[in-house]
Amino acid sequence: DTAVSQTPKYLVTQMGNDKSIKCEQNLGHDTMYWYKQDSKKFLKIMFSYNNKELIINETVPNRFSPKSPDKAHLNLHINSLELGDSAVYFCASSQIAGAVYNEQFFGPGTRLTVL
Amino acid sequence: AQSVSQHNHHVILSEAASLELGCNYSYGGTVNLFWYVQYPGQHLQLLLKYFSGDPLVKGIKGFEAEFIKSKFSFNLRKPSVQWSDTAEYFCAVNAQGNNRLAFGKGNQVVVIP
Repeated sequence: DTAVSQTPKYLVTQMGNDKSIKCEQNLGHDTMYWYKQDSKKFLKIMFSYNNKELIINETVPNRFSPKSPDKAHLNLHINSLELGDSAVYFCASSQIAGAVYNEQFFGPGTRLTVL
Repeated sequence: AQSVSQHNHHVILSEAASLELGCNYSYGGTVNLFWYVQYPGQHLQLLLKYFSGDPLVKGIKGFEAEFIKSKFSFNLRKPSVQWSDTAEYFCAVNAQGNNRLAFGKGNQVVVIP
């Protein structure tokens, strides 16, 4: 069973389109994250939700809107896609409450290409 | 906020050579430290972690790391690399009580057979 899964794995789309990426974790964790990895492999945190509540919201264009219907799911919707949005997007999860350390488990990534 | 520095972004070495990747962080309080590995085309996987106790931590695949508090460092080592160790390696730091994980910019390691 995949612990953190994302769909789709690849996403190719035109500029100006709206697209969504879905993430699900079956680890029972209370916190989920979205990261963006650019072409230089630099990982940047975008958002984090704890029990469906937004707790980290980095400087990200408001075209990006995360949604957490429950603590096992965190989706990312992107409006009006731009060329610079092309990257690999990783979802991750961790258990915060009662944990000694914040070990994050990563999904397989979604490679987004905007043409 | 904590930050992480990794130097020598590109490392090329031959099989059986020893590998050491530096990681320095800036944060004055108690931290948890991680090394993640990302094989080509794959997601990040945990290599090892430190949160307390013995500062020399053993991880998977023969990797180890040493936490030196006085130097704010958590360097990763492997005595003899294999071709399959070709990957991107990320150091990450989490300040205790903070749910944010700060990543370094990564080291791209290429092992030549």
